[in-house]
Amino acid sequence: QKEVEQDPGPLSVPEGAIVSLNCTYSNSAFQYFMWYRQYSRKGPELLMYTYSSGNKEDGRFTAQVDKSSKYISLFIRDSQPSDSATYLCAMKGIQGAQKLVFGQGTRLTINP
Amino acid sequence: EAGVTQFPSHSVIEKGQTVTLRCDPISGHDNLYWYRRVMGKEIKFLLHFVKESKQDESGMPNNRFLAERTGGTYSTLKVQPAELEDSGVYFCASSRQDQETQYFGPGTRLLVL
Repeated sequence: QKEVEQDPGPLSVPEGAIVSLNCTYSNSAFQYFMWYRQYSRKGPELLMYTYSSGNKEDGRFTAQVDKSSKYISLFIRDSQPSDSATYLCAMKGIQGAQKLVFGQGTRLTINP
Repeated sequence: EAGVTQFPSHSVIEKGQTVTLRCDPISGHDNLYWYRRVMGKEIKFLLHFVKESKQDESGMPNNRFLAERTGGTYSTLKVQPAELEDSGVYFCASSRQDQETQYFGPGTRLLVL
């Protein structure tokens, strides 16, 4: 069983829609949760970073962590064609420098 | 501030050959990580340097892979001899000491024929 499960999609939605992306995980030691965005032929770029449970908002993006359910989400409001990319969840257990454990990534397309 | 750079961007080699990938981290970043993504799978950790020391090499697949970071600056990852299953995208990332955020390079796409 993978430590982090993420539906690879693809997911296609119309411009302006609210997008919900999700990951589940099995390792209860994970404390730090990240969402990366990756455009084609580029490296992953950090979008959101959350410690432990709760919500974090940054512009059109909201990250949620529910540690009791081992479930994390990324919401994108007012989605734009420029949001079309692969979204990767990643997580790690302890503070400071440590390896990230990634989900498979969800390929998202926003249609104009 | 320049980002993480990787060279080459692409490499096509034959099975049994040797390939060396290079990563230049962001200046001042002590932590350097190598990750790999094989087709259809998630990005997986290979190893982690703190300056010139290997902090964690638990993800290295086998002894055909050798990573170095002489002087604590750039790093190389050598695959010798390459096998078909080594094909994939190799990412390098770096971070400051005790920083949560890892900054990724564009990756090196390796194809072993």
